[in-house]
Amino acid sequence: DTEVTQTPKHLVMGMTNKKSLKCEQHMGHRAMYWYKQKAKKPPELMFVYSYEKLSINESVPSRFSPECPNSSLLNLHLHALQPEDSALYLCASSRKEQGDYEQYFGPGTRLTVT
Amino acid sequence: GESVGLHLPTLSVQEGDNSIINCAYSNSASDYFIWYKQESGKGPQFIIDIRSNMDKRQGQRVTVLLNKTVKHLSLQIAATQPGDSAVYFCAEIPLFGTASKLTFGTGTRLQVTL
Repeated sequence: DTEVTQTPKHLVMGMTNKKSLKCEQHMGHRAMYWYKQKAKKPPELMFVYSYEKLSINESVPSRFSPECPNSSLLNLHLHALQPEDSALYLCASSRKEQGDYEQYFGPGTRLTVT
Repeated sequence: GESVGLHLPTLSVQEGDNSIINCAYSNSASDYFIWYKQESGKGPQFIIDIRSNMDKRQGQRVTVLLNKTVKHLSLQIAATQPGDSAVYFCAEIPLFGTASKLTFGTGTRLQVTL
């Protein structure tokens, strides 16, 4: 299984809602990532988890809260988002954080904040 | 056909022709480079990588060339097929940075015409 899965595929939420994005991989990878991608732009790194611990937070606003319950799962909790947070949210994984550069990406969750 | 990166974000190529997608990177300390392909509605997919101690690497129908003197990277696709239509991103990792911190280029859309 060389797949990263993400749910839901699409999400529409209001600015007062709380929602979560989920990401799962069963490749035994120990590094997992969240990226944000606006239309016609490259992905931008948000968070990195290495061995279930938060390794990198790219100064992301606290309305985005990542969680890594175990080595296969990665969540992104969303609360009080703004319309400008509408984007494609991509999850990725790699065998490890250091010395292994190939990241496998999921299909993304298309988020619309109304 | 040949793109010139930022000034030509869309490259149109006839099926069967060779494609050349260019990328100018900014960090002279970058040690590792990756090309990703992103099809509509999907996450980025790893195509080929190259380390800074190499100037050429070949894969199946793809070749990556690295010119460190002018900080230029290119992806050559031989005998371009309709399935090659996608947005192509180069990404770089600095030598002394965190391996997981990919920095993506702006991307080039490849359109294959029949």
